[in-house]
Amino acid sequence: AQRVTQPEKLLSVFKGAPVELKCNYSYSGSPELFWYVQYSRQRLQLLLRHISRESIKGFTADLNKGETSFHLKKPFAQEEDSAMYYCALGVDSNYQLIWGAGTKLIIKP
Amino acid sequence: DSGVTQTPKHLITATGQRVTLRCSPRSGDLSVYWYQQSLDQGLQFLIHYYNGEERAKGNILERFSAQQFPDLHSELNLSSLELGDSALYFCASSTQLNTEAFFGQGTRLTVV
Repeated sequence: AQRVTQPEKLLSVFKGAPVELKCNYSYSGSPELFWYVQYSRQRLQLLLRHISRESIKGFTADLNKGETSFHLKKPFAQEEDSAMYYCALGVDSNYQLIWGAGTKLIIKP
Repeated sequence: DSGVTQTPKHLITATGQRVTLRCSPRSGDLSVYWYQQSLDQGLQFLIHYYNGEERAKGNILERFSAQQFPDLHSELNLSSLELGDSALYFCASSTQLNTEAFFGQGTRLTVV
């Protein structure tokens, strides 16, 4: 079954500390993975996708097929990173996104 | 601006009523997704339409229905509304070959 797991509902770290938001997936095909971010009272927006291998706002995520993970990392957290983060798996067979439950990230000053 | 437009932005209605939420996808996007986001829950997938046809159903109640029209806009109909239906309803669209989704601002539904 296709599934995305974000084990942490809430993650709280101090400003300047490293951040890692975990995402594990279950999918028998070739995965297409995304991280979306939702700042307070705003629409969800794409943060990054594994295909592009970009670093957006200092965040990176590496697809580890062996561990079926796509963890989101940032070496030094900033207060403006406080938001809700969702990991999503793209399923090509019906162009559907499978969503994780989301992790609320709070950056303490 | 993602290019996805949702109307109305806010809606307050009474229990037992019926409402229609509207979504205009990005130009050229054939897929439309509907999601529900409650305060205490994450993003719940409701339904996916592709070029007018229903492709996938998630946790959508029988009181809810949706459709995608020939011009690709979509409507989500919520009937016999209950207090628990109060939530933010998001619409998202994507192209036929790309699963990246672009979200609208959402419609905040309050059932009183």
